[in-house]
Amino acid sequence: QSALTQPPSASGSPGQSVTFSCTGTSSDVGAYSYVSWYQQHPGKAPKLLIFEVSKRPSGVPDRFSGSKSGNTASLTVSGLQAEDEADYYCSSYAGSNTRGVFGGGTKLTVL
Amino acid sequence: QLQLQESGPGLVKPSETLSLTCTVSGGSISSSSYYWGWIRQPPGKGLELIGTIYYRGTTYYNPSLKSRVTISVDTSKNQFSLKLSSVTAADTAVYYCARVNIVAMMDYWGQGTLVTVSS
Repeated sequence: QSALTQPPSASGSPGQSVTFSCTGTSSDVGAYSYVSWYQQHPGKAPKLLIFEVSKRPSGVPDRFSGSKSGNTASLTVSGLQAEDEADYYCSSYAGSNTRGVFGGGTKLTVL
Repeated sequence: QLQLQESGPGLVKPSETLSLTCTVSGGSISSSSYYWGWIRQPPGKGLELIGTIYYRGTTYYNPSLKSRVTISVDTSKNQFSLKLSSVTAADTAVYYCARVNIVAMMDYWGQGTLVTVSS
């Protein structure tokens, strides 16, 4: 299975919005509404941020939102805060013969 | 609150077998709704799914690692384990265990454990 494609870096100033992309294929992102996003701070385990494209687990601020169009999923962080500086990974379900595939991650810098 | 904790040696010699165990607490590993997975992250790099196991023993392995990976489960201890054979320096990584639902969402993660392959 091929990894999903994410831009390596993104940046924004406090209060701004930033959107990350996650591009897959018609076999994963395009085929299913099962895209997840994870936030990882340095030295910490990944934390589930978004599941099923746009749903937030309890406790995740509504500043984080997800969407999908065709083979590309997106994560938007609104009202950027310093604590949002982290790595963000997407993953997608890719059928019953796999257990998902990750993107390479995007490093968010809050300027 | 479900918690997962990895344990095992932090240093493994090249060509030997890496062995890690994940202990699940605050919930049963025998849940019918979830798989249990191992994910690794080489220093400075991204996440890679190694494989998953269902409590009844059904496994999935990443094709790129399949020839070297064995994942097993011990429901009596609420644990699952990873063995990766013939390791090289390229297997140096932080290894995480996680709960995985049927559509690949990983909602609970262990804190991770760094395994270094070096003589």
